Amino acid sequence: QQQVKQSPQSLIVQKGGISIINCAYENTAFDYFPWYQQFPGKGPALLIAIRPDVSEKKEGRFTISFNKSAKQFSLHIMDSQPGDSATYFCAATRTSGSRLTFGEGTQLTVNP
Amino acid sequence: KAGVTQTPRYLIKTRGQQVTLSCSPISGHRSVSWYQQTPGQGLQFLFEYFSETQRNKGNFPGRFSGRQFSNSRSEMNVSTLELGDSALYLCASSQRYQETQYFGPGTRLLVL
Repeated sequence: QQQVKQSPQSLIVQKGGISIINCAYENTAFDYFPWYQQFPGKGPALLIAIRPDVSEKKEGRFTISFNKSAKQFSLHIMDSQPGDSATYFCAATRTSGSRLTFGEGTQLTVNP
Repeated sequence: KAGVTQTPRYLIKTRGQQVTLSCSPISGHRSVSWYQQTPGQGLQFLFEYFSETQRNKGNFPGRFSGRQFSNSRSEMNVSTLELGDSALYLCASSQRYQETQYFGPGTRLLVL
């Protein structure tokens, strides 16, 4: 019940295209859902996060869509750029604790 | 503000040895969490400390331990190293307990 499933494992997108990464969770106690971006040799960096009381959150080219009834959430990267090429992790946690449960990661490649 | 600092950045040890990794959180942050990242298991939570007390512990054997000092700096120790302990060990800090976590660059441990 603690798992977070992420797909796809890898994604190749052309410059200017839309990148979409999906995550699903089982534990209904989760109530904070961050996305992290990780470049090789670096630690994960917080990208954007959402709580279940909203269905969508947008920050620049990055948008999280959240479907509470389906227990799914997704990251949309609009106008994808080669500099967005990185590994993206979704995560979930409960406010009763800070421990993050991560998805398996998606390696995004944006071709010029 | 300086980010999370982890030392050393790289470490090579042999089976059976023990290792201590260090983490200095962002100034003013009082909560520190540790994660293990491997290609096979992804990002897994190890433990979390707040005000020098362990608040959460992941599903790792007792060979993995940690502590937090009064200045919020944290160390984790792995005793009797096994080949499978080879991983990137990440430290994350947050200002208070149960808040957004910011990751350091990690310590890459190789066990031979």
